[in-house]
Amino acid sequence: EDKVVQSPLSLVVHEGDTVTLNCSYEVTNFRSLLWYKQEKKAPTFLFMLTSSGIEKKSGRLSSILDKKELFSILNITATQTGDSAVYLCAVVPGSGNTGKLIFGQGTTLQVKP
Amino acid sequence: DAGITQSPRHKVTETGTPVTLRCHQTENHRYMYWYRQDPGHGLRLIHYSYGVKDTDKGEVSDGYSVSRSKTEDFLLTLESATSSQTSVYFCAISPVIDSPLHFGNGTRLTVT
Repeated sequence: EDKVVQSPLSLVVHEGDTVTLNCSYEVTNFRSLLWYKQEKKAPTFLFMLTSSGIEKKSGRLSSILDKKELFSILNITATQTGDSAVYLCAVVPGSGNTGKLIFGQGTTLQVKP
Repeated sequence: DAGITQSPRHKVTETGTPVTLRCHQTENHRYMYWYRQDPGHGLRLIHYSYGVKDTDKGEVSDGYSVSRSKTEDFLLTLESATSSQTSVYFCAISPVIDSPLHFGNGTRLTVT
């Protein structure tokens, strides 16, 4: 059974801290891994990773994928209160042509002033 | 919101009643998905569509049916709502398989 596990499930930090969120997976014929940020409403897309070892970066956020060890990390440096959210990791299995995502449980990040 | 509208935004209904949730998109995307989100489970796929009248089941499809009679609309129906279907329902769309999904703002459904 395809599975995505995120850790930690929740995290509280102070502004300025650096955080690392983890995502491990077991899926059939891995195709890609995505990170989303969810505040009050809809998850919003952050990164999509398909190749191992390549870092995707956007401002203070970055992510890397290790296809050999079957995990990804999402780093946030110099955290701000606006980074408080649920961060979701999702994987697209390669079997079938559906594009459907399998999600982890999410990591709830709270950034205190 | 990438041109996705979900309706209603909130709904309270009684056990045993039928309920239909609507997802409307203005992006002309081929792929549409219905997910539910529950504490401790993340987002789980209910049904998806890969074209007009082309749909298939996801991992938690029992008790749900869908229809897609035109590109822009994807309907999710609970034939006889149960309390276990109390959840937040998200619709998502994508133009092609390898493109990230974009989500609507969700429908909060409470079954009493």
